Amino acid sequence: NAGVTQTPKFQVLKTGQSMTLQCAQDMNHNSMYWYRQDPGMGLRLIYYSASEGTTDKGEVPNGYNVSRLNKREFSLRLESAAPSQTSVYFCASSVLSGGPDEQYFGPGTRLTVT
Amino acid sequence: GNSVTQMEGPVTLSEEAFLTINCTYTATGYPSLFWYVQYPGEGLQLLLKATKADDKGSNKGFEATYRKETTSFHLEKGSVQVSDSAVYFCALFWSGGSEKLVFGKGTKLTVNP
Repeated sequence: NAGVTQTPKFQVLKTGQSMTLQCAQDMNHNSMYWYRQDPGMGLRLIYYSASEGTTDKGEVPNGYNVSRLNKREFSLRLESAAPSQTSVYFCASSVLSGGPDEQYFGPGTRLTVT
Repeated sequence: GNSVTQMEGPVTLSEEAFLTINCTYTATGYPSLFWYVQYPGEGLQLLLKATKADDKGSNKGFEATYRKETTSFHLEKGSVQVSDSAVYFCALFWSGGSEKLVFGKGTKLTVNP
């Protein structure tokens, strides 16, 4: 099992450009999440998907959109990148969202917006 | 709302020293509590958890006890190793609220040989 995989690992964008971060899990988990990690801020939830076909906003959704393509894949899109979106982005998955299940994290995508 | 407060880092220790990283929480109800660890260049992974008061979570020599009376979940290890150098995150989950993990800001630990 590869667990949770993310692509790309690194990305540099110019302000106003768009891009999609890809995430896939092979653990047959129902729930998937996107977080951003900034120095001194911990992890903040951007969007999550409790199950295939559903998505909900987290703490910091502005400037992002998501798609739960199928049970395995959950993508994060930046339509018009801004320097404030420079961050490390983590995808995670868990069996269920409605319980204290362990979340499994991908290795992250380091995004720089200039 | 629910929140987690961790001690400020960074923390620097010598090998075999005793480690404590403080974590307190604010929550309505009785959350489940977690410690996640992030090694350099990697994603987070679960270190240990406790789901009810007085439970002790343990893993890899690390321990934390869920203290309802002090709303705390401090992480301890009796003898740290260089390989324990990482960022440690305290987190809570409460099913009666947003049903999502709430993370503290993280504490960076460096262990020197």
